[in-house]
Amino acid sequence: EDQVTQSPEALRLQEGESSSLNCSYTVSGLRGLFWYRQDPGKGPEFLFTLYSAGEEKEKERLKATLTKKESFLHITAPKPEDSATYLCAVQDNQGGKLIFGQGTELSVKP
Amino acid sequence: NAGVTQTPKFRVLKTGQSMTLLCAQDMNHEYMYWYRQDPGMGLRLIHYSVGEGTTAKGEVPDGYNVSRLKKQNFLLGLESAAPSQTSVYFCASSPYWGNEQFFGPGTRLTVL
Repeated sequence: EDQVTQSPEALRLQEGESSSLNCSYTVSGLRGLFWYRQDPGKGPEFLFTLYSAGEEKEKERLKATLTKKESFLHITAPKPEDSATYLCAVQDNQGGKLIFGQGTELSVKP
Repeated sequence: NAGVTQTPKFRVLKTGQSMTLLCAQDMNHEYMYWYRQDPGMGLRLIHYSVGEGTTAKGEVPDGYNVSRLKKQNFLLGLESAAPSQTSVYFCASSPYWGNEQFFGPGTRLTVL
């Protein structure tokens, strides 16, 4: 059964303090791994898709990486506006649906 | 483009009442999805549609029905609401299976 686990559940950082969020997954065959950002009271907003181990993608202060068992979302020199819940989801190559993790709530204090 | 819109934004129901949530997208996407989001549970797929006139069950379909009579609209119905259906409901769409999904702003439903 496909499964996604995100850690930590919550992360508090000072502005400028770099860190990483983890997404561990179990899937029969990975079609894609997705990262979303969700602000309070809003719908998830797409950030990245990763398809194969070793792939990396960047957007501003965010960088997503992928291995065969996990993905990391690295946040470099975060700002308060990066505060949000970050969701990870996987899709298997059997035509499966997206399976979401519970998310990591990131808070960046000035 | 408005993207994905949902109505209503908030709703309070009594146990046993029925209601329909409306999702509309203006991106000409083939695929549409209904999720529910509960604390500690993540997003869970209720039903989805791979095109106009089609629907399929997701992970947690019991107690819900859906219809996709027009490509741009996807309706989620609750025939007899239960307190366990208190949740935030999100609609999403994507151009192809496996593409990133675009989410609406959500509907917060409380069943008393």
